[in-house]
Parts: sequence; C-alpha cells; structure tokens
Amino acid sequence: GDSVTQMEGPVTLSEEAFLTINCTYTATGYPSLFWYVQYPGEGLQLLLKATKADDKGSNKGFEATYRKETTSFHLEKGSVQVSDSAVYFCALSDLQGAQKLVFGQGTRLTINP
Amino acid sequence: KAGVTQTPRYLIKTRGQQVTLSCSPISGHRSVSWYQQTPGQGLQFLFEYFSETQRNKGNFPGRFSGRQFSNSRSEMNVSTLELGDSALYLCASSLTGGGSANYGYTFGSGTRLTVV
Repeated sequence: GDSVTQMEGPVTLSEEAFLTINCTYTATGYPSLFWYVQYPGEGLQLLLKATKADDKGSNKGFEATYRKETTSFHLEKGSVQVSDSAVYFCALSDLQGAQKLVFGQGTRLTINP
Repeated sequence: KAGVTQTPRYLIKTRGQQVTLSCSPISGHRSVSWYQQTPGQGLQFLFEYFSETQRNKGNFPGRFSGRQFSNSRSEMNVSTLELGDSALYLCASSLTGGGSANYGYTFGSGTRLTVV
C-alpha cells in the first residue's frame, strides 16, 4: 500500500538556521502531497501542498517541491524562527484510490533562540 | 468562517465503557474523515463519510463505528473501550474528500480520549 517515510527526529536548530526535513513516498497512481504542522495541544494545520510533479508548494517561508523521479517532497525553510517549533507531518492522498490521507511518522522540530 | 469543531476536547473513560465523539465540519463541507493519533502508531485513518454514507474504512476493529447526519455533522463511537484506545481523535472535513487537491483537508483540534 501507499506509504510515507519521514526524516527521523527530533530536530533541534538555532534561530535563523536553514531547515530541511526529508520526506519520501511510495504510491501507486499520482498522489497529491502535503505538509501538515501540529502545534502543542492542537490539531493539524495544512502548511503547503503540491498536486503534480515539479509543483512547488510554499507558505510562511516554507517550500517543498514534488519530485516524481526521486519520489520525494522535502520541506525547506531558509531561516527558522522559535515560533516554527512544532511537529511536521508529510502526507499523501491518492486521488484515484481510497479517500484518505497517509501520513509519515512526524518530525518534531525545536528552534532555540 | 468557523472551522472544524470537535467535542468534547477531553474525555476520561473506564475500560469496557463506550464513548461517542462529535465533529461539526466547516459549513458546506460534505466529507468528514476521522483519524486516530497515538505516539506508537502515529496518525491512522479510521473512516470517511460523504453525504451520510461511509465511503472508506481503515483497518480498525468493529468496535469503532461512525455515522454522518444530513447536516454533515459526524459522530464516531467506540464500544467496549480498551486501554489502547487512548489517543487523540482528529476529524477532518473537505468539500468532496478524495485528496481534495484543490481544497485540502481542514482538521479540528481533536478529542483527547484517556481510557483508565
């Protein structure tokens, strides 16, 4: 079945550092890809998405590019802030198949001032 | 506009009891999905409803059930609770479901269920 593999965490960075969180996927068909963020005590918020190969999703300084050849959707940010501390989830949704999201295991990010 | 509302936020139940959780989707959204989040298993899909019909179901025992009403509000029920059912239960709504590439899924803040 479909699956998503994320970079193991936790990840700790200093403020203004460059961030990369790796995400690779396995899927039949042509999934849409998503990054969700979860702040403490809250639900999931959609951070960005991409629906086809070579699409770049971006939001709040975060970017991710849908790479079909490497089946990857890595999350990047040029300069992180303390407020970016959260858990980040990579996910896919197969438009052709089951009506559901398949999530990676999540990566906990902590930014120190 | 109002987001996805889940009630209650917190719940403590005893093993063997049953529980009902509620989810009100964004106005106009017709698809409601439920997910279980635990530290060990991560986020797992429970089921999805669209126009009062269950369209898809995850790999959970029959103790987990749900329904959707004509106003798109959804409830999930867990019977004969086990300690392992302790989790954050998240509800997500979308216009049509199915990846919603154009619309995305909007999640509620969840109901944290503790079984003692």
